[in-house]
Order: sequence, then structure tokens, then C-alpha cells
Amino acid sequence: ETGVTQTPRHLVMGMTNKKSLKCEQHLGHNAMYWYKQSAKKPLELMFVYSLEERVENNSVPSRFSPECPNSSHLFLHLHTLQPEDSALYLCASSQDIGGGAQETQYFGPGTRLLVL
Amino acid sequence: GQQLNQSPQSMFIQEGEDVSMNCTSSSIFNTWLWYKQEPGEGPVLLIALYKAGELTSNGRLTAQFGITRKDSFLNISASIPSDVGIYFCAGPHTGGFKTIFGAGTRLFVKA
Repeated sequence: ETGVTQTPRHLVMGMTNKKSLKCEQHLGHNAMYWYKQSAKKPLELMFVYSLEERVENNSVPSRFSPECPNSSHLFLHLHTLQPEDSALYLCASSQDIGGGAQETQYFGPGTRLLVL
Repeated sequence: GQQLNQSPQSMFIQEGEDVSMNCTSSSIFNTWLWYKQEPGEGPVLLIALYKAGELTSNGRLTAQFGITRKDSFLNISASIPSDVGIYFCAGPHTGGFKTIFGAGTRLFVKA
């Protein structure tokens, strides 16, 4: 148990569906992250939030829309996805951003997404 | 930009053997992190290193922060089947808020 939870753990959706992934951290951290992990590819950073403000948007398609209502919760809203978006979506949190020990990230278990 | 090169890409070993894997970069890192990821799960932090030359153990795992700050290694002693997984090295980008991850070393342990 890392202190970061994600729901759902598995999701199957059609290309016309709208769904949301949820992440919650119980560590009192100020920064939260979304990553995409595809088979045989390195982790891809998607979004970074610090104190509920987005500080990084890594050229992610607009069909992925993040939301951070408070420092403990992070959502990823999905709509009109493509089959190539099928992947493991990982949420992480860290004490703060800016390097060093405070940026050590703790990951949730991920949501395995399949787009048909 | 900063990159981390992990080797080997994969390892097939017998239970009981010791394992060594490393991570190198052409750039300096101020923090080195080692994670393990099992199938269908997120990466779990194993060891964090914050000082050049630091040697840290966590059970059968030992990791060192290279004195040049451009490399780190992870050793696993007396491997067991549950050591199977992908081991990632990582380090925060010196520019801040973007942790760089290596491509991972896949470890297979035969009982």
C-alpha cells in the first residue's frame, strides 16, 4: 500500500464513450502526476499539478482532460479515445516539485484501459 | 535532454543467485530512485539515494549513488521467485518537476 489509490483498476470503453479515472493520495502531498505506460515503452509523463495548479502539459491530445479539485484528488477525463490510447494509466504524488527528496514520487496501482 | 540508460534490458537467473543492474547518464543527477513494478501494478519505490557515494540497503537490496553522480547500481542478493518484475531507475530532472525514468530491467527468476 503506497498511499495512492486509483479507481477503477480496469476499464473497457468504446471510442464514443466518456469516462473518468480517479486518483486519491493519502500522503499529504502537494504535487500529483498522470503517466501513460504502454507495452514496451518508457513511462510517458502526461500532466503535473502542484497545489492544484497545472504546471506541465506534455503535448497530450485534448481527448484527455485532467482535473485537480484539491491537493488529494486528481481526475483524468476521457472522451472519444482511440484504440492506441489503450495502456496502463498511472497516478503518482510527491511532497512538492522542484527536485530533490521532495520530488520523490509514489505511484498508485494504475488503471488498465482498453479502448475498443 | 537528460536520459537514463539501464542495463541489462533483461536478466534470466536461477533462484538463489545474486543480481546486479545499473543505470547511467551523461548528465548529473542529484537524486537516484529505484522502483520495482510487478505485472498489472504501479511502480513501488524500493530505495531512494540523495547523496553522492551513498550506499543504502533495503533487506536483500543494496543500491549506490555513484560518486560522479552519473550512475547508480542496484544489487539483489539471493534472489527468490517473487523478485520477478521490472526494475526502473529514475531521477528528477535538474530543471525540476519532471522525473526521468530508465527503460527498465526485466528480471526473470527460475525456481
